[in-house]
Amino acid sequence: AQSVTQLDSHVSVSEGTPVLLRCNYSSSYSPSLFWYVQHPNKGLQLLLKYTSAATLVKGINGFEAEFKKSETSFHLTKPSAHMSDAAEYFCVVSVSGTYKYIFGTGTRLKVLA
Amino acid sequence: DAGVIQSPRHEVTEMGQEVTLRCKPISGHNSLFWYRQTMMRGLELLIYFNNNVPIDDSGMPEDRFSAKMPNASFSTLKIQPSEPRDSAVYFCASRTSGSTDTQYFGPGTRLTVL
Repeated sequence: AQSVTQLDSHVSVSEGTPVLLRCNYSSSYSPSLFWYVQHPNKGLQLLLKYTSAATLVKGINGFEAEFKKSETSFHLTKPSAHMSDAAEYFCVVSVSGTYKYIFGTGTRLKVLA
Repeated sequence: DAGVIQSPRHEVTEMGQEVTLRCKPISGHNSLFWYRQTMMRGLELLIYFNNNVPIDDSGMPEDRFSAKMPNASFSTLKIQPSEPRDSAVYFCASRTSGSTDTQYFGPGTRLTVL
């Protein structure tokens, strides 16, 4: 069975410092993995997607994530945080061959001036 | 592309009233999802349509909830009668039918039932 765990419910960083949001997954098959961002009172916006083409995936707004099969991880990173990055981030795994998606519980990123 | 469109963006109603939420998926997408987001339960899948046909409605809380998709460009989620515990943000998402394909979310409808 597939599952996804976001290891931190809250992360605080200073503006200009690196961001690391951690996600571990469990999947019987080669998974499709996604990161979405949700700003306050907004919908979920796709940041990036992994579908086995390349282990390092670049997304929008300077974010990237690396798929590590040996560690069953798909952590989201950004070299330098911006105030506008403050939001909630969701790691999502698709259940192979179905329409179902497993959502992580979310990580709320706070960026300090 | 305009993206997934939802209306209204905010709805405040009184307990017992009927509420209808609307969704227009992205043109060309043949799969549509309704989700509910609350602090306590996170994102929950309510119902999934493929080619306008409801495939999985096991997430619909109870008979007070119903959803339709009369054509490829429109879906509704109706709550009748509404209750305070239905207060949540309701999202519509669409995608093409491939299982690895990306879901695209609408902006959501924030429902408050007094």
